[in-house]
Amino acid sequence: GAVVSQHPSRVICKSGTSVKIECRSLDFQATTMFWYRQFPKQSLMLMATSNEGSKATYEQGVEKDKFLINHASLTLSTLTVTSAHPEDSSFYICSARVWTSSNEQFFGPGTRLTVL
Amino acid sequence: QQQVKQSPQSLIVQKGGISIINCAYENTAFDYFPWYQQFPGKGPALLIAIRPDVSEKKEGRFTISFNKSAKQFSLHIMDSQPGDSATYFCAANAGGTSYGKLTFGQGTILTVHP
Repeated sequence: GAVVSQHPSRVICKSGTSVKIECRSLDFQATTMFWYRQFPKQSLMLMATSNEGSKATYEQGVEKDKFLINHASLTLSTLTVTSAHPEDSSFYICSARVWTSSNEQFFGPGTRLTVL
Repeated sequence: QQQVKQSPQSLIVQKGGISIINCAYENTAFDYFPWYQQFPGKGPALLIAIRPDVSEKKEGRFTISFNKSAKQFSLHIMDSQPGDSATYFCAANAGGTSYGKLTFGQGTILTVHP
C-alpha cells in the first residue's frame, strides 16, 4: 500500500513555542491530506482537510490561527502548532488520499507532541 | 447524525476464537465503511473496507458484514491471534462536500489471550 511518513515522531517543547509537523506521501501524489488529533484512549478527531495549493478547511471548533496547515506540494503537508500549551499535547496523525476519486486513505505513523 | 457508534468498548477473546465488533450509523449518505487497526503509538492501518452495494466482504481472516436496512456493519476476525491485539476503529464517509472525510467510531480494544 501507499506509504505516508511523518516527522518528527515525537517532540517535546516548552509552553509558548511553535512546533511544525511534516506529513509526506512517499510513493504517490496526494492532492488531499487530512490532519487528525487523538487523545489517549480516544478516537481520531478530524482537525482539517488540506488541499494542495489552496487553503485548508478546518472542522468546527478547531482554531485555524493556532493550527496552521500548509500544503505546498503534492507530497508534503505541514501542521504548525503555534504558541503551544499543555492542553495541545496529543497524538497528531495525518492521512493522504491516494486517488481523487477514491475514499481510501493511508495514515502516517503519528507525531506525539508533549508541551511542558 | 454524523456519529458512528461502535461497540463493545473492549473485548477479550481466546486464541483461535472469533472477535466481533459492531458499528451503527444514522447518516444514510455514508457510502464507504472502512475498518482500521491501530497499535499503541502508531497510526491506524486500513484493514478492510466495504461499500453498501454488497452485504459481505472477506479478506483473509477479516470479514465485514453490512446491513444497509439496519444501518449497521460489523467486523469479524476469525481464528483470532495474540498479534491481533490492538485497537480497532470503524469509520464512515459520505460523498459530496464531505468526500474523503472520515467519521470514526469510538474504538474497541481487542485483547487476544494465548
